[in-house]
Amino acid sequence: AQKITQTQPGMFVQEKEAVTLDCTYDTSDPSYGLFWYKQPSSGEMIFLIYQGSYDQQNATEGRYSLNFQKARKSANLVISASQLGDSAMYFCAMSRIKAAGNKLTFGGGTRVLVKP
Amino acid sequence: DVKVTQSSRYLVKRTGEKVFLECVQDMDHENMFWYRQDPGLGLRLIYFSYDVKMKEKGDIPEGYSVSREKKERFSLILESASTNQTSMYLCASSIWSYEQYFGPGTRLTVT
Repeated sequence: AQKITQTQPGMFVQEKEAVTLDCTYDTSDPSYGLFWYKQPSSGEMIFLIYQGSYDQQNATEGRYSLNFQKARKSANLVISASQLGDSAMYFCAMSRIKAAGNKLTFGGGTRVLVKP
Repeated sequence: DVKVTQSSRYLVKRTGEKVFLECVQDMDHENMFWYRQDPGLGLRLIYFSYDVKMKEKGDIPEGYSVSREKKERFSLILESASTNQTSMYLCASSIWSYEQYFGPGTRLTVT
């Protein structure tokens, strides 16, 4: 079984600063994918970034980067130069690769509030 | 752009009622999913489907059933709604091993 743990229920960050959201995972599968989603107050889930278990380099997408440490089973999200629009819930998730359907297992989420 | 739509944003039902939540995607995705979201618990998978008429239980299927008669449509059914099914319900779709695209969610209240 897969498990995702996000230990930070909420955090404040100053506008224009960087913030790191923690995510640790547990799985016995050799092939898996790690995802981060953003959920603003409007409720929609927005895909941010993906890291495959065999990817050699950390994934980056604009201001988002994923700090993947496979031996420690961690996949922290780094948001650089925070903006007020980054205030939202952030969810870490994982899936098995090459399995029927790519069902996701989610962590409990971290609420980020960006202060001006 | 992928579009996933859900039949209602807000729904209020009474205990014991049969409830249908509809989800439609317009990108010919094989996989469709139903999650429920509760504070502090994140999203938990109820059921998913990887093809028409194919379904598999997720982590919390009790009290729910699903139907997928057409590729673009995936329905979640609460046979007899109970107050502990008050939650946010999110539908998603995907192609193999790629990110899931989510609908706007249905906030269901059972009184």
